[in-house]
Amino acid sequence: GAGVSQSPRYKVTKRGQDVALRCDPISGHVSLYWYRQALGQGPEFLTYFNYEAQQDKSGLPNDRFSAERPEGSISTLTIQRTEQRDSAMYRCASSLVGNYGYTFGSGTRLTVV
Amino acid sequence: AQSVTQLDSQVPVFEEAPVELRCNYSSSVSVYLFWYVQYPNQGLQLLLKYLSGSTLVKGINGFEAEFNKSQTSFHLRKPSVHISDTAEYFCAVSESLNTGFQKLVFGTGTRLLVSP
Repeated sequence: GAGVSQSPRYKVTKRGQDVALRCDPISGHVSLYWYRQALGQGPEFLTYFNYEAQQDKSGLPNDRFSAERPEGSISTLTIQRTEQRDSAMYRCASSLVGNYGYTFGSGTRLTVV
Repeated sequence: AQSVTQLDSQVPVFEEAPVELRCNYSSSVSVYLFWYVQYPNQGLQLLLKYLSGSTLVKGINGFEAEFNKSQTSFHLRKPSVHISDTAEYFCAVSESLNTGFQKLVFGTGTRLLVSP
């Protein structure tokens, strides 16, 4: 596609429910990143994929968070048993290998009530 | 580990005036530096980046930034702002590793408010 596409744009869920956030990167971009941005803060790194391989997941806050990219294209970030503190903007970005500076999507705003 | 400090949470300025948004970083290793802009209801857009070479970097929309290693700064400047420059600006840093993978560390952002 022309840009990084994220869906849904907004998600309201009840505490304890699982949510899945989707990221469709720019065609041909092999690197894919997930970030989380709390209100009034800058984005914080969650995890990174190179093709289908998850190269770094050091930013995932706990084991309720997981991500996958099974075919090296679309990625899903899953949060199990959501808590109110999970409420944030979740941002996906992609890039060509060796290209310094990502392209970000518009994000998914998650609200846990 | 790296960190970024953007001391100004908000910068009000009149249209056609010059502006400087400040960014200081901390790192024990060599770094790459970036400025991103976020317009309302949009994603983050790369304005400019410093990887190596000339310390004065020019970006899109007339913005430029200067890398100052001794002061560990990477301030963003524009000589004459427009109303359309109203947005949130984020400074970011990553280790200068030639692996193709960058873990960006962002500052908390500076909101630029341009008024007529």
